[in-house]
Amino acid sequence: DTEVTQTPKHLVMGMTNKKSLKCEQHMGHRAMYWYKQKAKKPPELMFVYSYEKLSINESVPSRFSPECPNSSLLNLHLHALQPEDSALYLCASSPAGGANVLTFGAGSRLTVL
Amino acid sequence: GQNIDQPTEMTATEGAIVQINCTYQTSGFNGLFWYQQHAGEAPTFLSYNVLDGLEEKGRFSSFLSRSKGYSYLLLKELQMKDSASYLCALTGSSNTGKLIFGQGTTLQVKP
Repeated sequence: DTEVTQTPKHLVMGMTNKKSLKCEQHMGHRAMYWYKQKAKKPPELMFVYSYEKLSINESVPSRFSPECPNSSLLNLHLHALQPEDSALYLCASSPAGGANVLTFGAGSRLTVL
Repeated sequence: GQNIDQPTEMTATEGAIVQINCTYQTSGFNGLFWYQQHAGEAPTFLSYNVLDGLEEKGRFSSFLSRSKGYSYLLLKELQMKDSASYLCALTGSSNTGKLIFGQGTTLQVKP
C-alpha cells in the first residue's frame, strides 16, 4: 500500500459546527503532516507529527486541533471555523522527519459557510 | 527563514524541452525537492537533490548548486499531460521534516 487516504473528499460546514478530517497511511511512515492549500497557492505547512508526537505547529489558530491516535492515523478537528478557512487540506506522510520524500493524500476540500 | 522564488507561469510546445528555475535564500537546508501538482490533485514527488549536480529520472532532471542558491527542473520531450504546477520545496537544516514550498510555476504545454 503506497497511498495516503483522506476522508471526506468534500466537506461543507457552518461556522458553529464541529467536524473532523481523517488521514490514514499503511506505509510504516513515522512522520505525518497537515498542509493547507488555497486556490492557485502552494501548500502551507500547518502541523508535523513525528513518532506520534506533535513536533511542529506553524502558529495555527486553536480552532484547528490535530490528533495522532497511532502511527497510521492523523486527524484534524475543526471547530468554530471562519469562511477564510475554506481550502484544500492535504495530509502527507514520510518515513521520518528530515529530508524525506512526502507522499500526499488527495486532500479534503473544505467549505465554511 | 527561507525565501524561494520561481517564475509564476511558463508556456512550452509539445515535444520541446523546458527548464523551470528556482532560486532560494536560506540559512541552511537538508534537501531540495520538486513536486508536480495537477489542478485539483495532490502534489506528487518528482525529484530530489541534496548534493550539487544533476539528478536524472527519465524525462525529468533536476540540478542543484548550493553555493549559488539555485536549482532547476528540466522536462524533456514535453507531453500535453505535463501541463501542471511545478513546486520547488526545501527542507530545513534541522531534522524536523519541515518542507516549505515555493509559489509554484504553472506550465502550459501547447500542441
